[in-house]
Amino acid sequence: ETGVTQTPRHLVMGMTNKKSLKCEQHLGHNAMYWYKQSAKKPLELMFVYSLEERVENNSVPSRFSPECPNSSHLFLHLHTLQPEDSALYLCASSQDLRGRVDGYTFGSGTRLTVV
Amino acid sequence: SQKIEQNSEALNIQEGKTATLTCNYTNYSPAYLQWYRQDPGRGPVFLLLIRENEKEKRKERLKVTFDTTLKQSLFHITASQPADSATYLCALPLWAGNMLTFGGGTRLMVKP
Repeated sequence: ETGVTQTPRHLVMGMTNKKSLKCEQHLGHNAMYWYKQSAKKPLELMFVYSLEERVENNSVPSRFSPECPNSSHLFLHLHTLQPEDSALYLCASSQDLRGRVDGYTFGSGTRLTVV
Repeated sequence: SQKIEQNSEALNIQEGKTATLTCNYTNYSPAYLQWYRQDPGRGPVFLLLIRENEKEKRKERLKVTFDTTLKQSLFHITASQPADSATYLCALPLWAGNMLTFGGGTRLMVKP
């Protein structure tokens, strides 16, 4: 356990479903991130929150909707996804924005399959 | 455009040897660079951070160098073990104010 917990670990959903991914950290970190990792592609940054405020949204389709209710929790709400959205979704946190002190701490990820 | 280059081909070495992985980047000179380890189906794990004013950094069997002239970082694992087999990612900001951008990683296979 890294200190960043993601649930569920695996998720299979239909294209018309609505689901949410959850991320929780109790490291006292101030920044949280969502990344997407598709097969044979580098990690892609999706969203960044700093002190509960969204500071970056990397042209992510609106079918992905983040929510950060407090500094310890981060959600990714999913609706009407496409099969190409199937990937490993990773949550990370860091003490400072951009991880300049001691890097990012990642969760184990949610393996999402859209059918 | 700015990018990070890591050898996409797997590196196969014999146990006990030193593994050396390369991370090259273009254009912007970052203030720091990081290395992560990722096992299949898991999130990356932070290993080391090296700043632009540091030529070399060590942690146990790991050593990282940072050559801002060559725009290159080298990651060494000495006395490698089969348990070191994983994908290793470098990460750095590609421009001032940028969040961390990750390279595609190099897969290391250490054979007994």
